[in-house]
Amino acid sequence: DSGVTQTPKHLITATGQRVTLRCSPRSGDLSVYWYQQSLDQGLQFLIQYYNGEERAKGNILERFSAQQFPDLHSELNLSSLELGDSALYFCASSPLFPGRRYGYTFGSGTRLTVV
Amino acid sequence: KNEVEQSPQNLTAQEGEFITINCSYSVGISALHWLQQHPGGGIVSLFMLSSGKKKHGRLIATINIQEKHSSLHITASHPRDSAVYICAVRGSGGTSYGKLTFGQGTILTVHP
Repeated sequence: DSGVTQTPKHLITATGQRVTLRCSPRSGDLSVYWYQQSLDQGLQFLIQYYNGEERAKGNILERFSAQQFPDLHSELNLSSLELGDSALYFCASSPLFPGRRYGYTFGSGTRLTVV
Repeated sequence: KNEVEQSPQNLTAQEGEFITINCSYSVGISALHWLQQHPGGGIVSLFMLSSGKKKHGRLIATINIQEKHSSLHITASHPRDSAVYICAVRGSGGTSYGKLTFGQGTILTVHP
């Protein structure tokens, strides 16, 4: 167990639907990152939150949104789902901004299948 | 051209062989990470490097900042080392500081 908890582990849903992925960071970590891993695009950075505030945005679609709550857990909301959204979604956390002493801790991922 | 390039994309070895995976990047970075992903998906961080060399067990990682190149070596490879190894670089400033940019991964298979 890495200390980063992602739920659910697997999700199967239909096109057009909306889902919420949840991430609880490692205890004490303030930053949460979301990544998408698909077969054709590999791993891509989606978005980062630090202590409740959005810090950086990557290749995140407008249909996707995220937030980090006061207890530091984060949710990634995916709406109007398309077949191409099928992927592994990873969450990672770090203590502050990753500095020279700190790295990332990854969760085990949520596998989303859109049918 | 991708900002992070790994080679080889696929690597097959016999147990006991010395393995090298290479990573080249084209952007300024604050650190480079080597990640391991086993079938089933979970990602484990192996090393974080900003200079020099690190060793953990049979794994060695090196980085040359001037040449923008890093290598991951596995000595005395074992079938349990079979996994995807991913190089990722962390941005060097501003809002890119925290985000990782990933290589496409190297699929390593070690046969007994």
